Amino acid sequence: GENVEQHPSTLSVQEGDSAVIKCTYSDSASNYFPWYKQELGKGPQLIIDIRSNVGEKKDQRIAVTLNKTAKHFSLHITETQPEDSAVYFCAARLVSGGGSNYKLTFGKGTLLTVNP
Amino acid sequence: DAGVIQSPRHEVTEMGQEVTLRCKPISGHNSLFWYRQTMMRGLELLIYFNNNVPIDDSGMPEDRFSAKMPNASFSTLKIQPSEPRDSAVYFCASRSRDRFSPLHFGNGTRLTVT
Repeated sequence: GENVEQHPSTLSVQEGDSAVIKCTYSDSASNYFPWYKQELGKGPQLIIDIRSNVGEKKDQRIAVTLNKTAKHFSLHITETQPEDSAVYFCAARLVSGGGSNYKLTFGKGTLLTVNP
Repeated sequence: DAGVIQSPRHEVTEMGQEVTLRCKPISGHNSLFWYRQTMMRGLELLIYFNNNVPIDDSGMPEDRFSAKMPNASFSTLKIQPSEPRDSAVYFCASRSRDRFSPLHFGNGTRLTVT
């Protein structure tokens, strides 16, 4: 099955700096890579996703890059703010027309702390 | 939309007691997932329902765990008897039938078994 490794497990940055979280996946067939943000006491919420036919996607201060050859994908947050402090999870899934396209495999998470 | 609704938010029970966690998925979503989150193991998929039918329960830890989805708007996860090692946050998530649709999580139930 798919295995997703996520690094670092904790990340502390100063407000205004950039933050980068990296993930690798094992199944080259995976073609959908979402990122989730989990705030204290809440469930994970989707913040951005990327499909394998795209190398980069950006949404305001958040961007995700994908390297299919290396099986790497990364989350980039620019101009970080204290409200960006949370746990971030990467995930990978094979989306196909068959019946096995439900399983989303998560990384172990990164605790991001943005210091004012 | 109110999102995925889980109840209770917190549950404290004694070892050996039965625990029932409840979930109302987003209206119109046809897939429902139960996850367990712990510091040691992260997010683990317990069971997946599609159109109210259990498709994959290979993540259910043991026979003490059971899940049902009697209709499209309600699901339960039951632990009987509960044990201290079941202490975790349990999340329910739902998704629409669109192939690339994301998971929508509830805010979870924090279960403590003493």
